[in-house]
Amino acid sequence: DAKTTQPPSMDCAEGRAANLPCNHSTISGNEYVYWYRQIHSQGPQYIIHGLKNNETNEMASLIITEDRKSSTLILPHATLRDTAVYYCIVRVDNNAGNMLTFGGGTRLMVKP
Amino acid sequence: KAGVTQTPRYLIKTRGQQVTLSCSPISGHRSVSWYQQTPGQGLQFLFEYFSETQRNKGNFPGRFSGRQFSNSRSEMNVSTLELGDSALYLCASSFASGIEKLFFGSGTQLSVL
Repeated sequence: DAKTTQPPSMDCAEGRAANLPCNHSTISGNEYVYWYRQIHSQGPQYIIHGLKNNETNEMASLIITEDRKSSTLILPHATLRDTAVYYCIVRVDNNAGNMLTFGGGTRLMVKP
Repeated sequence: KAGVTQTPRYLIKTRGQQVTLSCSPISGHRSVSWYQQTPGQGLQFLFEYFSETQRNKGNFPGRFSGRQFSNSRSEMNVSTLELGDSALYLCASSFASGIEKLFFGSGTQLSVL
């Protein structure tokens, strides 16, 4: 699976959009971009994933650049409960198993 | 629908002992994977079981082992505990193996003294 690079930490004001970048310049054509987050003392929580097109669900939006070398997770109206470590993961979706390679992630602090 | 359940939530052991951790996946999920989380190494994959068979194994010594039962519940065992085994052990389940998003439990915090 391709390696990802994320800033170690970011701050965001409550109510504003949080834009979390992820670089995955060595991504292959059949690799998906996944985002998980981990709130303190809990297990990681799936947020969203995508291959080429932008994706949106009830939690967030995922914007993938046309060359697929980077992506941005957008939390449209961040709340204090969104304070967490956000992990960007690139992996092939096949029947080879559920081994996720977590990097260091981005620690997002949402401030009042 | 109940989430992934891990027991116990906290555990204290001493060096040399062995420990067994339990994971009950979401009903209907057949894949269970285990991860170790430490401040120094972050989240690392241990192994995955699907339909009672180990599918993948991470880079951990043989002291770490696991199994899955016919009802998809899983256990992991660590023998001859070392201080460095102190970690949060997380279990994740999914319906299938390889394409599904994972649902994680809250983990078992193991402290080795």
